[in-house]
Amino acid sequence: KQEVTQIPAALSVPEGENLVLNCSFTDSAIYNLQWFRQDPGKGLTSLLLIQSSQREQTSGRLNASLDKSSGRSTLYIAASQPGDSATYLCAGGLFGNEKLTFGTGTRLTIIP
Amino acid sequence: GAVVSQHPSWVICKSGTSVKIECRSLDFQATTMFWYRQFPKQSLMLMATSNEGSKATYEQGVEKDKFLINHASLTLSTLTVTSAHPEDSSFYICSAISRDPYEQYFGPGTRLTVT
Repeated sequence: KQEVTQIPAALSVPEGENLVLNCSFTDSAIYNLQWFRQDPGKGLTSLLLIQSSQREQTSGRLNASLDKSSGRSTLYIAASQPGDSATYLCAGGLFGNEKLTFGTGTRLTIIP
Repeated sequence: GAVVSQHPSWVICKSGTSVKIECRSLDFQATTMFWYRQFPKQSLMLMATSNEGSKATYEQGVEKDKFLINHASLTLSTLTVTSAHPEDSSFYICSAISRDPYEQYFGPGTRLTVT
């Protein structure tokens, strides 16, 4: 059974700083790893999807990496802005199984 | 990108009544949809897999007679919470699988409050 953990649970950084969010998973037979953001009381916004054959994906100021051997994924946010404040969730799917297992989330606050 | 809608976005119902939540894929066909539940300040927990034309598959600990799922068409899955109780109050989110290209798209969620 896949277990996904995100540490820290909450993070506050000053505006303009670069930051890294961490995601760990227990089963290296991961098919894909997806990063989402969730604003309070809202649904999920997909940020980046990394397939098992890929090592990283980039979109604007966001870069996500996947290291299956170590069971880790990171989401790098460059030049953080107050609008980046949200909860960030990672989720992994296994080969032959389309279910996603979600991490516990990191609540990010960017301080103006 | 592909869009998944949910209706209603929020609903308040009295204890003992039933409430239906719809999940629609608007611009693609989805043979597989998922239903998740999210309690305040917690992550998403998968409740069940909805398969078009067949019975839903429920995760361990989820009561199938309480959470009825019907995937009647390639663009619509419904979740009916039967005999709702206050502890069923939660944020329910659905997702739909697009095959080409492959990606899972999430709906905006439905907030259910049972009084």
